[in-house]
Amino acid sequence: QQQVKQSPQSLIVQKGGIPIINCAYENTAFDYFPWYQQFPGKGPALLIAIRPDVSEKKEGRFTISFNKSAKQFSLHIMDSQPGDSATYFCAARRQGAQKLVFGQGTRLTINP
Amino acid sequence: EAGVAQSPRYKIIEKRQSVAFWCNPISGHATLYWYQQILGQGPKLLIQFQNNGVVDDSQLPKDRFSAERLKGVDSTLKIQPAKLEDSAVYLCASSLAWTSGSETQYFGPGTRLLVL
Repeated sequence: QQQVKQSPQSLIVQKGGIPIINCAYENTAFDYFPWYQQFPGKGPALLIAIRPDVSEKKEGRFTISFNKSAKQFSLHIMDSQPGDSATYFCAARRQGAQKLVFGQGTRLTINP
Repeated sequence: EAGVAQSPRYKIIEKRQSVAFWCNPISGHATLYWYQQILGQGPKLLIQFQNNGVVDDSQLPKDRFSAERLKGVDSTLKIQPAKLEDSAVYLCASSLAWTSGSETQYFGPGTRLLVL
C-alpha cells in the first residue's frame, strides 16, 4: 500500500516530442504528488507537484494530469528539449506525514 | 541561498569496514532526511529528523546503520560494518517544519558509496 509504481523504466523521444511518464498508487491516504528531476551526479530537484483536488497542473512545459478515481497520475513534457534528458521520479506523501515514497524512476533521453 | 551540503562525495571501502557521511541542511530547515538510492531505483527513506528528534526510522537497518542530529542542524549517518548491498548513493534532504505549510524537500548531491 506504500508503493508507487512508475512506468516506463526508460523512454527515448525526439526533440519536440511529448514524453509521458505514468505513476499509479494504491494508498488513498496519499494527498501530495510531486515529480522530481535528477541529473547524473546530482540530487533530485522538485519539478512540479499536485494535490488530488485538481485534475491538472501546468508549469511552463511541464504538466501533471491526475486521475483520482483510477489512482494514477502522469507527467507530460511539451516541446521536449535535449536538456530535459534526465531521470524523473514520481512520489507520493501520506496525509499528515512528511515522508515521500518514490517510484522506481524513468530515464528519459531526448534526441536532437 | 546555499543548498544542502554533503561530504564526502565518493567513498570506497571494503566490506566489514565502517563509514560515516555528513550533511549540512539549508539554514532554518527543521526537518532532515536521509535516503538510500540504489542504482536504478528511487530514493528510499532511511530516517527522518524533526530538529534533533527522530520522526521515522522504520526502514533503517538498525543493526548496522545509525544516525544522529545532535544540535538540530548537521547530521551524520554511519554504517558499521558495511555489506556489499550497502553500495548506493546516500542522499540527504531538508525541508521547513511541518507547521510551516511548505512541503518541498531539497536534496543534496549525495555521497556515492562503493563497498568491495
